[in-house]
Amino acid sequence: NAGVTQTPKFQVLKTGQSMTLQCAQDMNHEYMSWYRQDPGMGLRLIHYSVGAGITDQGEVPNGYNVSRSTTEDFPLRLLSAAPSQTSVYFCASRLLTGPNEKLFFGSGTQLSVL
Amino acid sequence: SQQGEEDPQALSIQEGENATMNCSYKTSINNLQWYRQNSGRGLVHLILIRSNEREKHSGRLRVTLDTSKKSSSLLITASRAADTASYFCATDAPSNTGKLIFGQGTTLQVKP
Repeated sequence: NAGVTQTPKFQVLKTGQSMTLQCAQDMNHEYMSWYRQDPGMGLRLIHYSVGAGITDQGEVPNGYNVSRSTTEDFPLRLLSAAPSQTSVYFCASRLLTGPNEKLFFGSGTQLSVL
Repeated sequence: SQQGEEDPQALSIQEGENATMNCSYKTSINNLQWYRQNSGRGLVHLILIRSNEREKHSGRLRVTLDTSKKSSSLLITASRAADTASYFCATDAPSNTGKLIFGQGTTLQVKP
């Protein structure tokens, strides 16, 4: 199993540009989520999904869009990038039930918005 | 706002000493989890403790949970330089939405 795969690893955008961060998992996890991590801070939840066709907002959803058309994929879209969205983005997935509902993380995407 | 607050924000100890990190949270939980992040990497799960458990061990890790005080602690015994990392607690609400809300983390430096 590859686990959680995020692409790209690095991205530089200009203000106003749009882009999609890709996330895929091959563990048949119902739950997928996106977090952002800013220097010296913990992770803040952007959006999450509990299954195909179901998404919901997290703590900091503004400026981001998600969709979940398959169990495996959960892309994050930046509609019009702003400097405040400069951050490291992590995708994570997990099972919703079971003895060990831990999150599996991707390796992250470092995004700079100029 | 974030659910968990961790204390201390930074901790520096010598190899062989014990390291204790604390996490407080605001609402009821289903379970509480601890994660580790090495610089520039994704988070890795360390241990999960359920709301009906008070203490759990895994190797050199010991986690306690006090639901009456809404707090948890992570103890790393006999620390090693390789334990240098950031440590985060995350709470899983009983609503079964699957959301895990993270604290701001404790940065641990273990000096050889």
